[in-house]
Amino acid sequence: DAGITQSPRHKVTETGTPVTLRCHQTENHRYMYWYRQDPGHGLRLIHYSYGVKDTDKGEVSDGYSVSRSKTEDFLLTLESATSSQTSVYFCAISEGTAKNIQYFGAGTRLSVL
Amino acid sequence: DAKTTQPPSMDCAEGRAANLPCNHSTISGNEYVYWYRQIHSQGPQYIIHGLKNNETNEMASLIITEDRKSSTLILPHATLRDTAVYYCIVRGTDSSYKLIFGSGTRLLVRP
Repeated sequence: DAGITQSPRHKVTETGTPVTLRCHQTENHRYMYWYRQDPGHGLRLIHYSYGVKDTDKGEVSDGYSVSRSKTEDFLLTLESATSSQTSVYFCAISEGTAKNIQYFGAGTRLSVL
Repeated sequence: DAKTTQPPSMDCAEGRAANLPCNHSTISGNEYVYWYRQIHSQGPQYIIHGLKNNETNEMASLIITEDRKSSTLILPHATLRDTAVYYCIVRGTDSSYKLIFGSGTRLLVRP
């Protein structure tokens, strides 16, 4: 998976608890992305980062925050998890060139009970 | 970014060519066509992309019509491992480089 590690791979948590998902890359790519995927939907962008400390919102950012303090790590935080955030979360990276191929991690399956 | 239209499902026989169509009639001049696939619950995998010329790599060929309003992904000799959801994505060159995924085409390769 192109040097991308997502952790944890599976998590079960309770409504109202904070959750942090981690994406770690070894490719030194500038751009990193968080997507979620739900049954019947394609992937939807939550947040993305275009450099250390540089982040922006995607189409479904409500209820999520992100941080990128190092090139290699991009964290996704659910401050107070809700059942609607039960989903599979994918991290992706890209160089940010015109070709901009995105490479995806294996995903984190999150269940909020 | 332009929207794409793909058939929801297709099938083909193992060893035969799989031809997956995509309509992107509102594509603009600087927008690339990308194809990704997702094999059962795995992360999406990049296949190929193009701007206006036909492209070929070790996985597939991409044929883009002259008016760029549609394209076809060709898997020349489909195998059972090619069973997946295939996404056609049109992406511009804005600074976010984000991809907008549609529902894709579910390809079933039959033995």
